Amino acid sequence: QSVLTQPPSVSGAPGQRVTISCTGSSSDIGAGYDVHWYQQLPRTAPKLVIYANNNRPSGVPDRFSGSQSGTSASLAITGLQAEDEADYYCQSYDSSLSAWVFGGGTKLTVL
Amino acid sequence: QVQLVESGRGVVQPGRSLRLSCAASGFTFSSYDMHWVRQAPGKGLEWVAVISYDGSKKYYADSVKGRFTISRDNSKNTLYLQMNSLRADDTAVYYCVKEENSGYYSVDPFDYWGQGTLVTVSS
Repeated sequence: QSVLTQPPSVSGAPGQRVTISCTGSSSDIGAGYDVHWYQQLPRTAPKLVIYANNNRPSGVPDRFSGSQSGTSASLAITGLQAEDEADYYCQSYDSSLSAWVFGGGTKLTVL
Repeated sequence: QVQLVESGRGVVQPGRSLRLSCAASGFTFSSYDMHWVRQAPGKGLEWVAVISYDGSKKYYADSVKGRFTISRDNSKNTLYLQMNSLRADDTAVYYCVKEENSGYYSVDPFDYWGQGTLVTVSS
């Protein structure tokens, strides 16, 4: 069981907006640790798409955005495209475990 | 450009050992903390271990503590993971990961990942 909780799956039609939640606790997100998001396309390594809650690395479309509030964070993708179909993971740090932690992952399906 | 290339994949029997290597290039290896992250077949990502830029600090996930050892050779730009007393639940793709280390964030992101190397523990 992962420290950070994500929905197993979300879906949306092309052009629509989807959000993926990431729920933590007072020892990770709630303690002020930044949240990062990774996209993993099938059979490839994860790729950073959002860092420090709401920043996009160079080359990531502005359709991707992030937010954080309290013990939770969210990844939003607008104008869904077929190429966005992938697994998405949130990541932070947990001070009670002294460990870097991931969410269980969310599979995004573009209908 | 940044490249992280893992090696050492293979099939190993339970209780045996295996060492993974990660050759780094395209950045000043000795300036960055490095991690190992693994992914069991069909499962999510699991952080395994971290080593500081100079090798002085090492931290491990509880699931591998006492069995795995992370190390680095900055003269060779290489990261290692020595895995002992391997178990079936250690079967996974192991990724070598660079931490961004800007110092701007409460926890730095993982900005580059290797392609991963598969370790299968089976009799």
